[in-house]
Amino acid sequence: KNEVEQSPQNLTAQEGEFITINCSYSVGISALHWLQQHPGGGIVSLFMLSSGKKKHGRLIATINIQEKHSSLHITASHPRDSAVYICAVPLNRDDKIIFGKGTRLHILP
Amino acid sequence: SAVISQKPSRDICQRGTSLTIQCQVDSQVTMMFWYRQQPGQSLTLIATANQGSEATYESGFVIDKFPISRPNLTFSTLTVSNMSPEDSSIYLCSVDSLGLPFNNEQFFGPGTRLTVL
Repeated sequence: KNEVEQSPQNLTAQEGEFITINCSYSVGISALHWLQQHPGGGIVSLFMLSSGKKKHGRLIATINIQEKHSSLHITASHPRDSAVYICAVPLNRDDKIIFGKGTRLHILP
Repeated sequence: SAVISQKPSRDICQRGTSLTIQCQVDSQVTMMFWYRQQPGQSLTLIATANQGSEATYESGFVIDKFPISRPNLTFSTLTVSNMSPEDSSIYLCSVDSLGLPFNNEQFFGPGTRLTVL
């Protein structure tokens, strides 16, 4: 079983839809990262959070430490949101970073 | 899938010295990325390394401080030059698999943990 699991793996939605991407992890962590990767590009860090909720523009990230679960929400989705969204957790024991496999989001105009 | 190894996995260095981090991929890839994660911070992209051309550096990073080599399609090095304690970070390389847009997987090395005294 992967230590970090994301769902769904792929998601296609219409412009304007509310998007939710989930991340579950099985290891003890100090913080969780949500990353965004556009085709052919590097990774942009969206959020790092260790509790509660963070909001940036149309993006909202939440985390429940007790349930070992985090969600990334996109409101009023737009085709430019099309990207791969990656959940990543640094391990407490040796600071190695475990990445989810990513969720490929495609927003249709 | 791509398997990536990095050397060293960790190191403790003295201020003013330089460290070269190696990244080896088990398959040929077009683009390799170098990231830094400072303590308590999220990942930051340092540069993108393409084979046969100069690396492309992100804002805030310069070639004199972080020279990068990309001699072939499976290997890259990142040097952290004239180190200071502020350079203490985890450095990761990653690769983007060849393929069509929205069909790329991102693979990461295990990271190099650098501590500068």
